[in-house]
Amino acid sequence: DADVTQTPRNRITKTGKRIMLECSQTKGHDRMYWYRQDPGLGLQLIYYSFDVKDINKGEISDGYSVSRQAQAKFSLSLESAIPNQTALYFCATSDGTKAFFGQGTRLTVV
Amino acid sequence: QKEVEQNSGPLSVPEGAIASLNCTYSDRGSQSFFWYRQYSGKSPELIMFIYSNGDKEDGRFTAQLNKASQYVSLLIRDSQPSDSATYLCAVTGGATNKLIFGTGTLLAVQP
Repeated sequence: DADVTQTPRNRITKTGKRIMLECSQTKGHDRMYWYRQDPGLGLQLIYYSFDVKDINKGEISDGYSVSRQAQAKFSLSLESAIPNQTALYFCATSDGTKAFFGQGTRLTVV
Repeated sequence: QKEVEQNSGPLSVPEGAIASLNCTYSDRGSQSFFWYRQYSGKSPELIMFIYSNGDKEDGRFTAQLNKASQYVSLLIRDSQPSDSATYLCAVTGGATNKLIFGTGTLLAVQP
């Protein structure tokens, strides 16, 4: 089983819909991250969390929210999806040194 | 100014040559530096990390760090076509300790 699991792997949704991307990890790490990847733009940080009670905005948090339900779970929500949120989304965990990534969620907003 | 900057490439090298990838960062408080490799449509994979000034070697890979110049590089010796991928530089530490990535450099190794 993967150490960092993202669900769903692929999703097509309509403009204005609420959607949640989920991430769970078995690494026992405190730090979790959500990134968005667009062609040519690398990984842009959306939100990060260093423990269950610590949530921080990243570079591009507008239009997104997160929930850290437990040490092992970190969810990303798009309250009202728009087409320019079409991208590849990655969750990552870290022990403060190396980061480990999930398989990614390809989200398309039509 | 972006916090972590890389030349987007593509960087094209012949098979067997040395590929040199560069990265600069803006936060002088940064403490840890990473190189990730990402194949198209796949997750980033950690290939090197370095914390101290100088060189760190692992097989065909060498990471170089110069904190005074705020510069990190990755050298890939004896480049192979399978090394063709996007290489992402990442930095953590500083005031917030968040993990920030550059835009990546696309490397193409020509057979």
